[in-house]
Amino acid sequence: DIQMTQSPSTLSASVGDSVTITCRASQSISKWVAWYQQKPGKAPRLLIYKASTLQSGVPSRFGGSGSGTEVTLTIHSLQPDDFATYFCQQYDTSPWTFGQGTKVEVK
Amino acid sequence: QVQLQESGPGLVKPSETLSLTCTVSGDSIGNGDHYHWIRQQPGKAPEWIGNILYTGVTHYRTPLRSRVTISVDTSKNQFSLRLPSVTAADTAVYFCAITSSIDFYFYSWGQGIPITVSS
Repeated sequence: DIQMTQSPSTLSASVGDSVTITCRASQSISKWVAWYQQKPGKAPRLLIYKASTLQSGVPSRFGGSGSGTEVTLTIHSLQPDDFATYFCQQYDTSPWTFGQGTKVEVK
Repeated sequence: QVQLQESGPGLVKPSETLSLTCTVSGDSIGNGDHYHWIRQQPGKAPEWIGNILYTGVTHYRTPLRSRVTISVDTSKNQFSLRLPSVTAADTAVYFCAITSSIDFYFYSWGQGIPITVSS
């Protein structure tokens, strides 16, 4: 199985900050990666697919980049609604695997 | 906009069978998409369990293949998960989710149902 190692596990930030979350894959996944936002008790929300394509309705302050074995999610100008947990998922090779998640919390 | 809702017991006794159902609304389950079960054990990354097409064709994660059964009921627009002989290691939040048949990112999820295995 492809391992997705996500860092950091926790990130403390303030409204207006820009933050970056990284996922490293144990082998190349090309651009076949998605990013999700998860809040307690709610359905995870797809933010980005194919490494950098924004899902419809997702604010443009979310951005994805990278390919191969390292991909990143950047949130520009963090808003109050963005404090949540974020995780990556590779869909290059079955079984589809996920990162462990990054909790973005208020500094 | 397609929505998913998991249903099932919150508590299951060890050695019993866990049965969960996902009800799909806003779209027909026979449109060619893939319907998945994913679980997230406490403190761990989400884990893909398996998926089914409306035709009944299934794919399972290898370590769970001998235990898990995913089935579909197109007349009810539902798909289900059956996991027999549960242990404490099966305690997790269980999600249902959907991908297209081409790109396997999960474009819609249920909110998840917490399942505890305990006597």
